[in-house]
Amino acid sequence: DVKVTQSSRYLVKRTGEKVFLECVQDMDHENMFWYRQDPGLGLRLIYFSYDVKMKEKGDIPEGYSVSREKKERFSLILESASTNQTSMYLCASSAALEAFFGQGTRLTVV
Amino acid sequence: AQSVTQPDIHITVSEGASLELRCNYSYGATPYLFWYVQSPGQGLQLLLKYFSGDTLVQGIKGFEAEFKRSQSSFNLRKPSVHWSDAAEYFCAVALRGGYQKVTFGTGTKLQVIP
Repeated sequence: DVKVTQSSRYLVKRTGEKVFLECVQDMDHENMFWYRQDPGLGLRLIYFSYDVKMKEKGDIPEGYSVSREKKERFSLILESASTNQTSMYLCASSAALEAFFGQGTRLTVV
Repeated sequence: AQSVTQPDIHITVSEGASLELRCNYSYGATPYLFWYVQSPGQGLQLLLKYFSGDTLVQGIKGFEAEFKRSQSSFNLRKPSVHWSDAAEYFCAVALRGGYQKVTFGTGTKLQVIP
């Protein structure tokens, strides 16, 4: 089975902190994605990557950056966390347009 | 503008009743179409997908969806709902070609009552 693992289920960070969310997939997928999920807004794409060191902005990239140094790992970085970045963050990897999701990281910024 | 719409935020059905969840899209050409399910506290799982061919698509857990080009719709159906189907359901689309960016609807939360 494909496995997408997010490093933390729950995180609490302070405003202004630099935050790293890590995601690892074990199926050698080319594409990886970071979404945030908010009630009533569904999933919104932050960034995606179609190859190592390649990235594309999604619909809401402001305040975020990403890193993909190895094929299996895709990191989301909040350079200076703010309270409006409190959300559920979902990582996914895909092949042949079928996306596989991690269990999510619920981030609270206080 | 390109969009995917799930008009029902919340639906309640009785166990054993039939279910239909609505999804409409607005794209220049027929996109790839998906339905995902998210159980409480979990990530999303693919239920079914439509790329081309037969417009009635069978998925896992007894779900099916029908693509109707004339209505730009891809509604999800199940003949008899089980209590374990209570979850949030997301319709999603991806443009043909490009980097396979997938856009999700806002979700429909399904409640199943005994």
